[in-house]
Amino acid sequence: DTGVSQDPRHKITKRGQNVTFRCDPISEHNRLYWYRQTLGQGPEFLTYFQNEAQLEKSRLLSDRFSAERPKGSFSTLEIQRTEQGDSAMYLCASSLAIVPEAFFGQGTRLTVV
Amino acid sequence: TQLLEQSPQFLSIQEGENLTVYCNSSSVFSSLQWYRQEPGEGPVLLVTVVTGGEVKKLKRLTFQFGDARKDSSLHITAAQTGDTGLYLCAGSSREDTGRRALTFGSGTRLQVQP
Repeated sequence: DTGVSQDPRHKITKRGQNVTFRCDPISEHNRLYWYRQTLGQGPEFLTYFQNEAQLEKSRLLSDRFSAERPKGSFSTLEIQRTEQGDSAMYLCASSLAIVPEAFFGQGTRLTVV
Repeated sequence: TQLLEQSPQFLSIQEGENLTVYCNSSSVFSSLQWYRQEPGEGPVLLVTVVTGGEVKKLKRLTFQFGDARKDSSLHITAAQTGDTGLYLCAGSSREDTGRRALTFGSGTRLQVQP
């Protein structure tokens, strides 16, 4: 399977703990996006990379969130000092810069208790 | 800020019925995508429309992009239970072509009853 891969699929953590999610994009895609989706809503943009450069961050991305894409391949999204409001589905997508379509992974469901 | 408004929010119909869902914005989009999402999964791309007035068909699904590139519709003919899911439209602003990530609507949740 050469689609977008996210790990883990599910994460339950206690409030105040740090969590890290990983995304492996489609191999030839140079753009990688992170979105967050809560129940009953569409995905909300968090940040995106072109190759290893982080080109845009949403105002939704507080100081507790950090994303990296070393070497322009896989990406990690870290949330520090998790809060209950961070509970959501975290979606990763990738695309080629020259086309509008983005392809999504299956997401990581985070539950903060 | 680009906003994509989808209507209706919820739709419950019987198998075999036809339906149309809408995606509207005050912004002009260089393209619009439609995705379908099932519970616990990521969105799956259905189609991309690029040209104003464009109509694309995918089996029983017909997608239309408005002439002014501000709105789109999805029509499903003879709905089946397998069409159940969350239908999302997403767009790239014409002003931000080549730079900005997709903006999503809040979706239309479709339930097709057998």
